[in-house]
Amino acid sequence: QQPVQSPQAVILREGEDAVINCSSSKALYSVHWYRQKHGEAPVFLMILLKGGEQKGHEKISASFNEKKQQSSLYLTASQLSYSGTYFCGTHENTGGFKTIFGAGTRLFVKA
Amino acid sequence: DAGITQSPRYKITETGRQVTLMCHQTWSHSYMFWYRQDLGHGLRLIYYSAAADITDKGEVPDGYVVSRSKTENFPLTLESATRSQTSVYFCASSEATVRMNGYTFGSGTRLTVV
Repeated sequence: QQPVQSPQAVILREGEDAVINCSSSKALYSVHWYRQKHGEAPVFLMILLKGGEQKGHEKISASFNEKKQQSSLYLTASQLSYSGTYFCGTHENTGGFKTIFGAGTRLFVKA
Repeated sequence: DAGITQSPRYKITETGRQVTLMCHQTWSHSYMFWYRQDLGHGLRLIYYSAAADITDKGEVPDGYVVSRSKTENFPLTLESATRSQTSVYFCASSEATVRMNGYTFGSGTRLTVV
C-alpha cells in the first residue's frame, strides 16, 4: 500500500528549513528517501531501518518512528540545489524486498 | 561503462504495437525493478526480480511482461501498447541486501503511445 507524503508541495526561501513527512498504514522494516531533479532519475539519499534511528546527509537528515509507522525528512538551511521532488519508499515487515513509493513532495527553493 | 543503462531514452509507438524497453546493469546486482512514473502517482512498481529466472508482479503489472534470462538484463515488454501506458519508465537495481540498501535508477525511458 502506497505511503502518504505530506505536504504535496512546499516553497522555501534559501536558508529556510522544511520537513517532509511519510506515513504508512503497514508495519515497516525500513524507509528510503530519494530526490529527483526535473527530467532526471531519482537519486538515493538515505535509508532508515527499524529501531528509531536518525541519519544525516549533508544538511538533510531523517528520522523513523516504527511504532507510528512514520518517517520525516528534515532539510536545514535549504540551498537552491535542494529543489526537486522528494520520495519516500517503504519496505513492509512482510513485504519482501520491493519498495513502494509515495506520490512525492515537490520542493522549490528560491533565492 | 559501469552502471545501469536504459534504452531507448525516448520512444513513440502506436496503439496495439509491441514494444520492448531494455535495462542493463554492470554491477551483478541481484535485484532489479521496473517502475513507471506518472504525474500525481509517483513511482509505481510494475515487476521485480530477485535473480535470473525469478520475477514477480508489482502494483501495476497488467499489460506488461518481463524476463530475466541473465543477471544483467531485465527487459520490459508491452505486449499491445495502450495510451494509458504513456509514461516514463525507470529501471532500478540493488544489492542482495536490498532492504538495507537503496536503489540505483537508470536514466529512464519516456514512452508515448499514440
